[in-house]
Amino acid sequence: QQPVQSPQAVILREGEDAVINCSSSKALYSVHWYRQKHGEAPVFLMILLKGGEQKGHEKISASFNEKKQQSSLYLTASQLSYSGTYFCGTLRPGKLIFGQGTTLQVKP
Amino acid sequence: DVKVTQSSRYLVKRTGEKVFLECVQDMDHENMFWYRQDPGLGLRLIYFSYDVKMKEKGDIPEGYSVSREKKERFSLILESASTNQTSMYLCASSLQTANYGYTFGSGTRLTVV
Repeated sequence: QQPVQSPQAVILREGEDAVINCSSSKALYSVHWYRQKHGEAPVFLMILLKGGEQKGHEKISASFNEKKQQSSLYLTASQLSYSGTYFCGTLRPGKLIFGQGTTLQVKP
Repeated sequence: DVKVTQSSRYLVKRTGEKVFLECVQDMDHENMFWYRQDPGLGLRLIYFSYDVKMKEKGDIPEGYSVSREKKERFSLILESASTNQTSMYLCASSLQTANYGYTFGSGTRLTVV
């Protein structure tokens, strides 16, 4: 079963913050985050592992809440380059199952 | 720079045709995957492979098959293309270890008419 992402879409001004959530109905062992710009391949951002470890990539960080079966992606002081579609992926035996994506648009 | 290369960026095929989508990676990755991407549905896994000549069904394998004769190459086959297979197809690869990110190709936009 696919994880559920929220919100489906976000529009921000440069410098504003955003949070994207990823929830699973099944136990989470690790969560991947990817960003896809329009017309391009999805690009790996980070992996969150079981244990609540928080990771970072530029001004983008994420958390993993095992109890809530949820991961959240935090985009701080957003830049125009952050625009794109963000996908979370939850690991099942040998494969990643992706959410439906969250489209982020950052305006000047 | 490591790469996953998909042979065609755009393809237009007729209903009933047999279609081959090719994917090659140069990273010596064990795992390879085929996803399809549709608006509002995200990326859905069609098939994946852990090793040469090995394949596993993903979540939506119906109407598709795959072939992996060499470690670097993973082919997706649409046995008899149908209009509901019009989509963006993405190939990805990764190392065997679970805690490693995927590298995606740029995708093949397939239109079946």
